[in-house]
This record gives sequence, structure tokens and C-alpha cells, in this order.
Amino acid sequence: RKEVEQDPGPFNVPEGATVAFNCTYSNSASQSFFWYRQDCRKEPKLLMSVYSSGNEDGRFTAQLNRASQYISLLIRDSKLSDSATYLCVVRKGYSNASKIIFGSGTRLSIQP
Amino acid sequence: NAGVTQTPKFRVLKTGQSMTLLCAQDMNHEYMYWYRQDPGMGLRLIHYSVGEGTTAKGEVPDGYNVSRLKKQNFLLGLESAAPSQTSVYFCASSYSGVAGTYYEQYFGPGTRLTVT
Repeated sequence: RKEVEQDPGPFNVPEGATVAFNCTYSNSASQSFFWYRQDCRKEPKLLMSVYSSGNEDGRFTAQLNRASQYISLLIRDSKLSDSATYLCVVRKGYSNASKIIFGSGTRLSIQP
Repeated sequence: NAGVTQTPKFRVLKTGQSMTLLCAQDMNHEYMYWYRQDPGMGLRLIHYSVGEGTTAKGEVPDGYNVSRLKKQNFLLGLESAAPSQTSVYFCASSYSGVAGTYYEQYFGPGTRLTVT
């Protein structure tokens, strides 16, 4: 079983719709959680960190459920420019040398 | 401010050939990383460095060597390339920072390597 699992998609949704996807992690010792965005044939870039209390950044909302060991990303009023692959990232410790695990990504395609 | 750059962008090797991938960052970051990305596998850490002159193994280090002779450069070497090393290679860098604080990893544009 992979340590970080994501539904690969693709999620095809119409522009303006709300879309959500989850990421599950297997190691309960995981401490920090993030969402990265990767455009086609480009490098990953940090989208947002995921805090225990949940957090919002504009149209994006991230949630953490430690009991069930998953994090989620909700995108409201989706734009064509949101089309990308979203990578779930889990860090096992608090140090920046702690092991960081990337999920294989969920592909999102926003349709006009 | 170029951020993280990688050289070359594309390369085709024959089995058994060697090559070196160069990563350079101009952000004065202490930490540098080499990842490979394969379809359906996500990014996997090959080697990383927490400072000039230091390197450590990641998740998939076999078949690769690295060196960090200067703080701004991190080199990834393939001594004898194999078809299984066909992949996209990303370099990244970050601050070391304070424990408990996450410092974003900044990625280079990637190197697409094909081994035939």
C-alpha cells in the first residue's frame, strides 16, 4: 500500500462548478500536510499548507481529518486555469530534513 | 533572480553511458533535493543535501551519485545509465529554517531523460 494515495482522476468538471478530492495517508505519525499544483510538463509549485483547523485561500479550502487520516481540497467556482494535477504532500516530522512523501496526483480538467 | 535552474532540459542516453545533471539555485537555500517523477508513481526522492559538502540518500538512491561542492549547486550523476532510469528529474531547494516551520520547496523546470 502506498503511504500517500490519491484518486488519479481525471476529474472533468464544468467551469464554475465546485470540485473536491481527497488524499489518504497511512502513517499516523505524519505531521504536516500540503497541496502542490503541477501544470502539464511543468514543475510542482506549493498551492497551500493544510492546517489542523482547516484553512481557506480564496476559492480553495483545505481540510485535515487526522482520525480518518485524510486531507481534502475543495475548489469553488472553478476556472479554466485551475486545470492541473494536484499533488498531496505529507511530511513525517517537523524538521525540514524530515521525510516528505508526494502522492501521485489527481488530474483536474475544467471544461468550458 | 532565476530561482532553480536545471541543465540540460532534455537528454537521450544509450544504456551504459554516463551523464551529470546540474542544478543551480540563487536563493541561498541550505537544502537541495533530487527527485524523479514517473507516471503513476509521484515524485520520489533520490538524494538530498542539508548543506555544502553534505549529501544523504533518499528513497531511491541506487544507480545515482550526487555532490554538493558549492552551496548553490547540486549535481546528480548516472554512472551507467539503464532504461529503468528513464524519467523526469526535478531538482528542488528550500531553507533549513526553524524546526516546526515548513519552508516551501522550490522546483526547477525538470530534465527529461530517456535511456534506450
